[in-house]
Amino acid sequence: EAGVVQSPRYKIIEKKQPVAFWCNPISGHNTLYWYLQNLGQGPELLIRYENEEAVDDSQLPKDRFSAERLKGVDSTLKIQPAELGDSAVYLCASSFLGNSGELFFGEGSRLTVL
Amino acid sequence: KQEVTQIPAALSVPEGENLVLNCSFTDSAIYNLQWFRQDPGKGLTSLLLIQSSQREQTSGRLNASLDKSSGRSTLYIAASQPGDSATYLCAVIIQGAQKLVFGQGTRLTINP
Repeated sequence: EAGVVQSPRYKIIEKKQPVAFWCNPISGHNTLYWYLQNLGQGPELLIRYENEEAVDDSQLPKDRFSAERLKGVDSTLKIQPAELGDSAVYLCASSFLGNSGELFFGEGSRLTVL
Repeated sequence: KQEVTQIPAALSVPEGENLVLNCSFTDSAIYNLQWFRQDPGKGLTSLLLIQSSQREQTSGRLNASLDKSSGRSTLYIAASQPGDSATYLCAVIIQGAQKLVFGQGTRLTINP
């Protein structure tokens, strides 16, 4: 069974440029999460989807960050414009609500903003 | 607000030793607790998940315990190996909210 797939794995951009990350969850998982992980820190939730509905986006900086999960399957996280402080790893995870809430993570997308 | 703390932040031990990693959380109203492993530059790999009604879970050389009343969990690693070197993160799922709150992790180094 394929795991959570994320792309790109690495992205280097200059500040003020836009960037987008893509995530394809495990097949059948209806809940999808985007987490932000800074160096040496634990991940922090940005947004959680149940199917196509964003049910928790309280930590998403909405002035520059946006996300979508149009058909309740894959998802895109966008930053526009990127700032130096956005350099981090963006992790996607998925779970099936009926499966004890266990989360499975992708490899992450490492963003460097110059 | 749920806070998760992991102590120590870093640990270095010789190969073959048994060791314990600690995790504490401030709010006992959790749905479950999950331990993860993270290798440098990689994503998180789920190691063990303990339901709030359970006391412990075992997988191979790993044993995780949960004491909700005291807000603590431990991850026991038996007969450590250099391949166990990684960062170990614990996270709790808050009751009523399907999201994980993470600790900052313990960076473990096993010396050959």
